[in-house]
Amino acid sequence: KQEVTQIPAALSVPEGENLVLNCSFTDSAIYNLQWFRQDPGKGLTSLLLIQSSQREQTSGRLNASLDKSSGRSTLYIAASQPGDSATYLCAVGIRNQGGKLIFGQGTELSVKP
Amino acid sequence: EAGVVQSPRYKIIEKKQPVAFWCNPISGHNTLYWYLQNLGQGPELLIRYENEEAVDDSQLPKDRFSAERLKGVDSTLKIQPAELGDSAVYLCASSLAGTSGGASTGELFFGEGSRLTVL
Repeated sequence: KQEVTQIPAALSVPEGENLVLNCSFTDSAIYNLQWFRQDPGKGLTSLLLIQSSQREQTSGRLNASLDKSSGRSTLYIAASQPGDSATYLCAVGIRNQGGKLIFGQGTELSVKP
Repeated sequence: EAGVVQSPRYKIIEKKQPVAFWCNPISGHNTLYWYLQNLGQGPELLIRYENEEAVDDSQLPKDRFSAERLKGVDSTLKIQPAELGDSAVYLCASSLAGTSGGASTGELFFGEGSRLTVL
């Protein structure tokens, strides 16, 4: 059974810092991996999608990497801003289960001005 | 282009009452998902539709939960009767599935969610 873990559960940093959020999964036979952002009381916003054949994806100040062999993904946020404060969720897509995502519990990020 | 639309955003009911949530996916997305998110947790899949067919409902508590996706577009999720433990956020998502073995090749896009409080 696929399990997804995100560490740390919460993180507080001063504005301008570069930071890394970690995601690990137990079964390397994934179809893809997706990072989401969730603001309080809101739905999930897709940030980056990495297919199983890819190693990384970049969007603006965000860079996500994928290492299937070690069961890990990282989300790198450069030059953090207070507007980046949110919960970040990692989810792995299960092969042969049509896009079903297994989510981690999320990392709650707070960027202090 | 409109994203995934859900209604209502908030619903407060007493236990044993029925409740229904509605979802309109992104136009052209043939795969629709209902997820349940408890406070402080990641979402968990309840049911997945490919067009109008429910292809994965193994996590749906069928004694009180039901869902339908008539005509393969909009979907409704119903709870009857609701229990205190059903208080949560019900998220709808859609994607454009691939054609190889039913596996999706696209991103999932989520709606704002419907927050249910059962008193």
